[in-house]
Amino acid sequence: GDSVTQMEGPVTLSEEAFLTINCTYTATGYPSLFWYVQYPGEGLQLLLKATKADDKGSNKGFEATYRKETTSFHLEKGSVQVSDSAVYFCAHKVGSTLGRLYFGRGTQLTVWP
Amino acid sequence: DVKVTQSSRYLVKRTGEKVFLECVQDMDHENMFWYRQDPGLGLRLIYFSYDVKMKEKGDIPEGYSVSREKKERFSLILESASTNQTSMYLCASSLYRDRGYEQYFGPGTRLTVT
Repeated sequence: GDSVTQMEGPVTLSEEAFLTINCTYTATGYPSLFWYVQYPGEGLQLLLKATKADDKGSNKGFEATYRKETTSFHLEKGSVQVSDSAVYFCAHKVGSTLGRLYFGRGTQLTVWP
Repeated sequence: DVKVTQSSRYLVKRTGEKVFLECVQDMDHENMFWYRQDPGLGLRLIYFSYDVKMKEKGDIPEGYSVSREKKERFSLILESASTNQTSMYLCASSLYRDRGYEQYFGPGTRLTVT
């Protein structure tokens, strides 16, 4: 069935380090792909998205490229900041499922100064 | 800005009580969702609704019911709360026709059942 697998955390980095959080998906058809972020004490908010193969989503210095051949959508940032400390969720949406998103389990990122 | 509000940020209830969690969105979205979030398990979908009076079971509907009498409001009901329903509950909404299907989330309700 449809599912999302993302890198388990927690991930701990120093400020200005390079970040990668891996995400792969299983889906029939051609899903839309998303990264959501949850800051402490808040709900989730959309970080970036890509709706077709080879699209690159980007926002706040984060990037992810929709790779159909490897069914992946890895999140990257070249230089993380303390304010990036949050939980990151990968998600996908297949067209036939009435707007439902399938979420990964989330990856906790902590950035130290 | 899209706004999704939830009736309480924190709630403490006793075992066996009937609990209502309310969610309201102000952007005329067709879809609304209820999730629970637990450490190590991520988000799990309880129920969702794509129209007034319509509902679909998610992955963990047991012990819960929902109500959608108006487009902007989606209620989650715990008929008889149990300690294993202690969790963070998140509501979300989205447009039906948008291919991007971005979901907008409320701040969450942390429910403790004692």
